[in-house]
Amino acid sequence: ETGVTQSPTHLIKTRGQQVTLRCSSQSGHNTVSWYQQALGQGPQFIFQYYREEENGRGNFPPRFSGLQFPNYSSELNVNALELDDSALYLCASSPPGLLDGYTFGSGTRLTVV
Amino acid sequence: AQTVTQSQPEMSVQEAETVTLSCTYDTSENNYYLFWYKQPPSRQMILVIRQEAYKQQNATENRFSVNFQKAAKSFSLKISDSQLGDTAMYFCAFGLTGGGNKLTFGTGTQLKVEL
Repeated sequence: ETGVTQSPTHLIKTRGQQVTLRCSSQSGHNTVSWYQQALGQGPQFIFQYYREEENGRGNFPPRFSGLQFPNYSSELNVNALELDDSALYLCASSPPGLLDGYTFGSGTRLTVV
Repeated sequence: AQTVTQSQPEMSVQEAETVTLSCTYDTSENNYYLFWYKQPPSRQMILVIRQEAYKQQNATENRFSVNFQKAAKSFSLKISDSQLGDTAMYFCAFGLTGGGNKLTFGTGTQLKVEL
């Protein structure tokens, strides 16, 4: 049983650029959630995808968008990067409706300069 | 909206000793889950223990146990026989049952286990 894998592990971007982060969900999990974890803070919910549809969104602007593919993998896209977007981005997969099934990846560390 | 508060930014404990990490939360809901996650330097969040609000019995997982006080909205984690591998950031998290399955996290407690 494979876990959640995220790519890349580290990324440096310039303010104003766009970035795409990728996540492969754990086998058997069809729900993917994305979290932003700023330095020294707890993760903040960005959004969740279930069956390729957005299924809940946190307090993040529209320049944060996502996709889920038929194989349940997912992408997080951020446009017009700002310095405050520098953070660890965590992906978590789960079966539908089961919070105890959350499996997290190791994250992508994004630095915006 | 739900909030989760962890008032201990850092704690330390001697190996083999017991330590308790505190967490309080605020919600108007009656059915929910509470979690403790561990985040070591590898960055991956690892589920330590889970508690369902409708269960009065406190959850236990080997050396880890919780003290769940629903009326007080308190959810502390007790680690017995602390080991060096327990050194990590610990996050308390709240989740509602039903659709969405969003987790609300506290700011974390950095635990250091010392020889």
